[in-house]
Amino acid sequence: NAGVMQNPRHLVRRRGQEARLRCSPMKGHSHVYWYRQLPEEGLKFMVYLQKENIIDESGMPKERFSAEFPKEGPSILRIQQVVRGDSAAYFCASSPSGHYGYTFGSGTRLTVV
Amino acid sequence: SQQGEEDPQALSIQEGENATMNCSYKTSINNLQWYRQNSGRGLVHLILIRSNEREKHSGRLRVTLDTSKKSSSLLITASRAADTASYFCATDSLIQGAQKLVFGQGTRLTINP
Repeated sequence: NAGVMQNPRHLVRRRGQEARLRCSPMKGHSHVYWYRQLPEEGLKFMVYLQKENIIDESGMPKERFSAEFPKEGPSILRIQQVVRGDSAAYFCASSPSGHYGYTFGSGTRLTVV
Repeated sequence: SQQGEEDPQALSIQEGENATMNCSYKTSINNLQWYRQNSGRGLVHLILIRSNEREKHSGRLRVTLDTSKKSSSLLITASRAADTASYFCATDSLIQGAQKLVFGQGTRLTINP
């Protein structure tokens, strides 16, 4: 019973490139959350998705960032035209119900050079 | 702004001593959760306390919740060097019409051998 799988673990992008981060939730979990963590800080909520729906994107920057959770396949967090300030650890969590049982992935560490 | 505020921001104690970390929050909650994060790693779920519970134990961990004061504390007894990590509280709340987990800034705990 694999946990939440995130890939890649580490991603290096040059300024202006696109970053695509993937999250496969635990089996049976249909709720996915994305968080961003800057160095020495806590996790900041970005977006909450259920299959094919964005439930809450109040924490997502208005430009360059998008997220999806298709009917089949992993959830994708996409950052277009990355800038140095996007360098952070991005964590995904899934839950079966949206209330309890959150399980976090190991994160993707994005470095923009 | 972040829902949870943790205090202290950093704590350094000797092995064998007890460590207490506090968390305050602003809105009503369904539950409050504590997580541990080792440097550069993902989050590990430690314990969940529901809004109608006042105290919960798990091994060397003791969590209290005071909903009237909107605060929680995490006590780690008989600390070990392996407990060195950052500890985050997270409140499961209905915010802006959606259920989400909101994290505090964390307490960086160092256990000195």
